[in-house]
Amino acid sequence: EVQLVETGGGLIQPGGSLRLSCAASGFIVSSKYMSWVRQAPGKGLEWVSVIYSGSSTYYADSVKGRFTISRDISKNTLYLQMNSLRAEDTAVYYCARLTATTGFDYWGQGTLVTVSS
Amino acid sequence: EIVLTQSPGTLSLSPGERATLSCRASQSVSSSYLAWYHQKPGQAPRLLIYGASSRATGIPDRFSGSGSGTDFTLTISRLEPEDFAVYYCQQFGYSPFTFGPGTTVDVK
Repeated sequence: EVQLVETGGGLIQPGGSLRLSCAASGFIVSSKYMSWVRQAPGKGLEWVSVIYSGSSTYYADSVKGRFTISRDISKNTLYLQMNSLRAEDTAVYYCARLTATTGFDYWGQGTLVTVSS
Repeated sequence: EIVLTQSPGTLSLSPGERATLSCRASQSVSSSYLAWYHQKPGQAPRLLIYGASSRATGIPDRFSGSGSGTDFTLTISRLEPEDFAVYYCQQFGYSPFTFGPGTTVDVK
């Protein structure tokens, strides 16, 4: 059974850093495309980043240069390193598996990041 | 960036009624990379339709998708109580992948 479990969210001051983790089971993270999607309180979904199976990465303009997506094959885990955090980064962050032919077919339960002083 | 526009913003219907949701793209999107999701309060989104018209695993046949190019439609033939939620279209053919703003289907 495919499962994605995010951890690492919390309250952080503006300008701070946080690393989110997404532990996967039921499939191998490095063999699939993996993505982060976020949702600000009361708002819609915003795509954040993707890492392809070949390790190419892409980012939304809103996080480019501040966020880094990566994965650890030995831990079968996806990460999102978030630096220089801003109030507008406050959101629930979901990791999701992206299958090229079907879209985001599995999602985690999300982890809340709150950027506030 | 491909901008997706969804209409209406809110659809107020009764159980058993038909729902028709629209998604329009600012430029042509390959049908292969157009998906629909729904999201209930406090839950993660769930994939409903991929490839513009294929139902994801476990999705009942009252959900159907259609369209091509810049205009796509999600239809729910007869609303069940569990279908009242927010519906998002998404394109994942070009980075940045983009979602529409969502259509809320609520109880009339």
